[in-house]
Amino acid sequence: GAGVSQSPSNKVTEKGKDVELRCDPISGHTALYWYRQSLGQGLEFLIYFQGNSAPDKSGLPSDRFSAERTGGSVSTLTIQRTQQEDSAVYLCASSPRGTSGRETQYFGPGTRLLVL
Amino acid sequence: AQSVTQLGSHVSVSEGALVLLRCNYSSSVPPYLFWYVQYPNQGLQLLLKYTSAATLVKGINGFEAEFKKSETSFHLTKPSAHMSDAAEYFCAVSSGDSSYKLIFGSGTRLLVRP
Repeated sequence: GAGVSQSPSNKVTEKGKDVELRCDPISGHTALYWYRQSLGQGLEFLIYFQGNSAPDKSGLPSDRFSAERTGGSVSTLTIQRTQQEDSAVYLCASSPRGTSGRETQYFGPGTRLLVL
Repeated sequence: AQSVTQLGSHVSVSEGALVLLRCNYSSSVPPYLFWYVQYPNQGLQLLLKYTSAATLVKGINGFEAEFKKSETSFHLTKPSAHMSDAAEYFCAVSSGDSSYKLIFGSGTRLLVRP
């Protein structure tokens, strides 16, 4: 079946502009995660959605970052007033229920963001 | 708090040689541990995971890992390296809180020499 998809695959933007990154999780998966992969920080958690529960936003690095998940499926990560340090690969993952640490998280191919 | 340490940012082996990638964890609760592989310009693919059943876990592509509580380790091994194994490998532990987010190590890049 289809895996996690992300768009765009690459995004180049100018400092100060806003960007939106999209994630389509595996159909039926209740939980959705965003992670960021950068040279200096490695792989770090950003935000978690699970069903209708309030999201865990504890990993968002600043108030310029926000995310939403509409209809329990597609998610959009928005970065406002981008900075050069936002350049990274943004990875989305989904898991069936998100109610156990045993669950496998399935990752998308990522969006490579470059802020000039 | 949960954390993961991967010793060696780069490991180089000859084709056919043993692969050993090291992972040590710190966890305040019984851990769930994962190894993921990342090929260039791709996302993460699960190799194997430990979820408190058997301590020796077998995964895809001939990889296996052994959970050793006394050593707080979960090292990844493969008896004979193939050129196609060249990639970056990440060890991760589940956060233990209600989000079950993954806490990743810094990764180990495996180079396979012909």
